[in-house]
Amino acid sequence: AQSVTQLGSHVSVSEGALVLLRCNYSSSVPPYLFWYVQYPNQGLQLLLKYTSAATLVKGINGFEAEFKKSETSFHLTKPSAHMSDAAEYFCAVSGSANYGQNFVFGPGTRLSVLP
Amino acid sequence: DVKVTQSSRYLVKRTGEKVFLECVQDMDHENMFWYRQDPGLGLRLIYFSYDVKMKEKGDIPEGYSVSREKKERFSLILESASTNQTSMYLCATRIGAANTGELFFGEGSRLTVL
Repeated sequence: AQSVTQLGSHVSVSEGALVLLRCNYSSSVPPYLFWYVQYPNQGLQLLLKYTSAATLVKGINGFEAEFKKSETSFHLTKPSAHMSDAAEYFCAVSGSANYGQNFVFGPGTRLSVLP
Repeated sequence: DVKVTQSSRYLVKRTGEKVFLECVQDMDHENMFWYRQDPGLGLRLIYFSYDVKMKEKGDIPEGYSVSREKKERFSLILESASTNQTSMYLCATRIGAANTGELFFGEGSRLTVL
């Protein structure tokens, strides 16, 4: 079975500050990991994904995430927050044999960016 | 460009009405999914389909059914809508059975049941 936890349902940062959104997973097989962003009243958009290549993954809009197997983590970071980064962020894991249901999402973290 | 289109962005229905939510993709993806999104609960899988006329229950199928008569179209049906089905519904597609593939999402359909 797979699961994802995201520490902090709501994170606030000042514009220009570091963004750190935490994601921990559990998986009985080598995981593939994803971060999605959702703007209000829109669908989810892929930010980046880890699929067993480089452990540091760069995505769109200046975001990156590092896969740490020993910590079962895949935290999302951005060096300098912008007002347009305000959105909800979801971490997801994929990797079980039952491919149809193997995409498991975390509960999400809402990011607020303060001027 | 990848495109997943959900037919209705906003719907208001009455309790007991039959509701159809349609999703069309132009990517020739085998897998299609319907999720429900509620505050604090994240995304929960209702049904998915891995081929035409094939469907599998997800985590919360009760009160829903689906139809996939053509590869590009996946419909979610609420036979008799209830107020607890007020939610955001998201359709997604995924190529093949590869675990490395990401999901592509539509814009979502926000349903209110009065």
